Amino acid sequence: AQTVTQSQPEMSVQEAETVTLSCTYDTSESDYYLFWYKQPPSRQMILVIRQEAYKQQNATENRFSVNFQKAAKSFSLKISDSQLGDAAMYFCAYSGTYKYIFGTGTRLKVLA
Amino acid sequence: EAGVAQSPRYKIIEKRQSVAFWCNPISGHATLYWYQQILGQGPKLLIQFQNNGVVDDSQLPKDRFSAERLKGVDSTLKIQPAKLEDSAVYLCASSPTGGRNQPQHFGDGTRLSIL
Repeated sequence: AQTVTQSQPEMSVQEAETVTLSCTYDTSESDYYLFWYKQPPSRQMILVIRQEAYKQQNATENRFSVNFQKAAKSFSLKISDSQLGDAAMYFCAYSGTYKYIFGTGTRLKVLA
Repeated sequence: EAGVAQSPRYKIIEKRQSVAFWCNPISGHATLYWYQQILGQGPKLLIQFQNNGVVDDSQLPKDRFSAERLKGVDSTLKIQPAKLEDSAVYLCASSPTGGRNQPQHFGDGTRLSIL
């Protein structure tokens, strides 16, 4: 069975600094997608970034980028130039043949 | 485009009472998901619909939870009777076809408190 693990319940970062959120997963599938979602205090979950397992190139969306290590089954999110609006819960998610699985989340605090 | 709509936003009931939540997905989205998110945890899938058919309800406590999407558009999730451990945020999400490459679009959720 597939699993998704986020080992950092909470992280803090100074405004304008860079922070990396960790995610590991376990699967026997070769074709899958990985996502990072952001859930601000208002609760609506929104997509941050998506990575296809077959693509070796790491996905990038403006200040957000991932470090995808397929062999290690690791999928970390790097946020550059952190802003106050980045404060939220961040969830890593796995999408495979039969399941869409979320990790337990990392709460990111941004310090002014 | 209009997002995923959910109602009510908050609900407080006593244990053993019944409650229903409503969700209207993004227009044209065939796949609809209901999640339970307990405080401090990630969303747990309760049920997935493809149009008006159930794709996955393996984690739905069927003795007390039920869900329907009769016309393949909006959906209702019901709990009867509620237990204390059902206190959670209930999230609805949709995607165009449910493909593994598709991100899900979420509503604001319904926060349920059981007294």
